[in-house]
Amino acid sequence: GAVVSQHPSRVICKSGTSVKIECRSLDFQATTMFWYRQFPKQSLMLMATSNEGSKATYEQGVEKDKFLINHASLTLSTLTVTSAHPEDSSFYICSVRDMALGNNSPLHFGNGTRLTVT
Amino acid sequence: QKEVEQNSGPLSVPEGAIASLNCTYSDRGSQSFFWYRQYSGKSPELIMSIYSNGDKEDGRFTAQLNKASQYVSLLIRDSQPSDSATYLCAVFSGAAGNKLTFGGGTRVLVKP
Repeated sequence: GAVVSQHPSRVICKSGTSVKIECRSLDFQATTMFWYRQFPKQSLMLMATSNEGSKATYEQGVEKDKFLINHASLTLSTLTVTSAHPEDSSFYICSVRDMALGNNSPLHFGNGTRLTVT
Repeated sequence: QKEVEQNSGPLSVPEGAIASLNCTYSDRGSQSFFWYRQYSGKSPELIMSIYSNGDKEDGRFTAQLNKASQYVSLLIRDSQPSDSATYLCAVFSGAAGNKLTFGGGTRVLVKP
């Protein structure tokens, strides 16, 4: 069954509005979750690492004030795209890792959120 | 140099043949390697993980790792049209070893 639940799967919003994406770890507590973004015909790029109870760690070039991450519990992380613009249109995918299996355990991905900004 | 490199393809193989995919990585300290399959419009799904040199087989899939040469490969035996997808090589790297970096992916087309 699914390890990660991501919602919504698809969202269309107007330029200037904000969109919140939820990611839930279903099978285990996740102190760390990872947010990726994928543009058409490109690979996944890590945006940020979400840490439960502390600030997220953003990758170089990712604006932390634009992509707000909240990891308020061990099973839920949210990504809010603030003041969205057409260039933010992308496929956003969250992932979790069962650290109880050790540092070598793979990432499990949610179904992704297709964001279209008009 | 990209951290994880793959041939973008498309790799076209006839049904029933073997598809061979290659991946090279730059971080010599990497310890964990994964192959994900991604269908168009969907998120990646894990198909293989490999951590030590040599071969690892799982059904029709075989992963091969050579840390000295810094490459990892994936073989798909008896390729089926349903195997048509983009295959992503991923490597844990970074100082803490907790950053999963993806290659650009190899698109595989299996023709009936």
